[in-house]
Amino acid sequence: DAKTTQPPSMDCAEGRAANLPCNHSTISGNEYVYWYRQIHSQGPQYIIHGLKNNETNEMASLIITEDRKSSTLILPHATLRDTAVYYCIVRAMDSNYQLIWGAGTKLIIKP
Amino acid sequence: DAGVIQSPRHEVTEMGQEVTLRCKPISGHDYLFWYRQTMMRGLELLIYFNNNVPIDDSGMPEDRFSAKMPNASFSTLKIQPSEPRDSAVYFCASSSANEKLFFGSGTQLSVL
Repeated sequence: DAKTTQPPSMDCAEGRAANLPCNHSTISGNEYVYWYRQIHSQGPQYIIHGLKNNETNEMASLIITEDRKSSTLILPHATLRDTAVYYCIVRAMDSNYQLIWGAGTKLIIKP
Repeated sequence: DAGVIQSPRHEVTEMGQEVTLRCKPISGHDYLFWYRQTMMRGLELLIYFNNNVPIDDSGMPEDRFSAKMPNASFSTLKIQPSEPRDSAVYFCASSSANEKLFFGSGTQLSVL
């Protein structure tokens, strides 16, 4: 069973911020939240990860709630090239690599 | 850095034939993973290596599948004999230590 819950699809207007939610209510204290995306016909691409604090890099920002039961990935200025399936995954750093890849959120950026 | 390199990009073969997929990980990475992706089952981990040693092959579907990593810069996934249900996109990924995965572009396998 997937350890995260994501909406199956979302739309966002080009130039706007895309906010992708993820629920992980059973997350353990040592588990990180990872985000990857998969553009059509390509392999998944790492975006960002975090444990407790909010994180930001050149691609996106990750906001994790104080109780860590949910998070939001923010693409600040979405472009057409951000159209992809976005996966939210939780895993402990010392775990094996049996990552549970759910169905993700299909994000469509519209002009 | 060229990233993770997989070949071939596309493979079409007939049932019963042997198929070999190839992967060159990112230089310096010590973990290598083989994944399979289908519409029905999504992304599934087949096997992963650490320092060229297979660590977990519990995802390998059956004995028809085998994977090797003879050195730090090369790995193969072999299917013998291939069956139509093996049709999928096969991804190779590599990682340094225990961090984020870098995926290749995948091999689209069609078994007729």
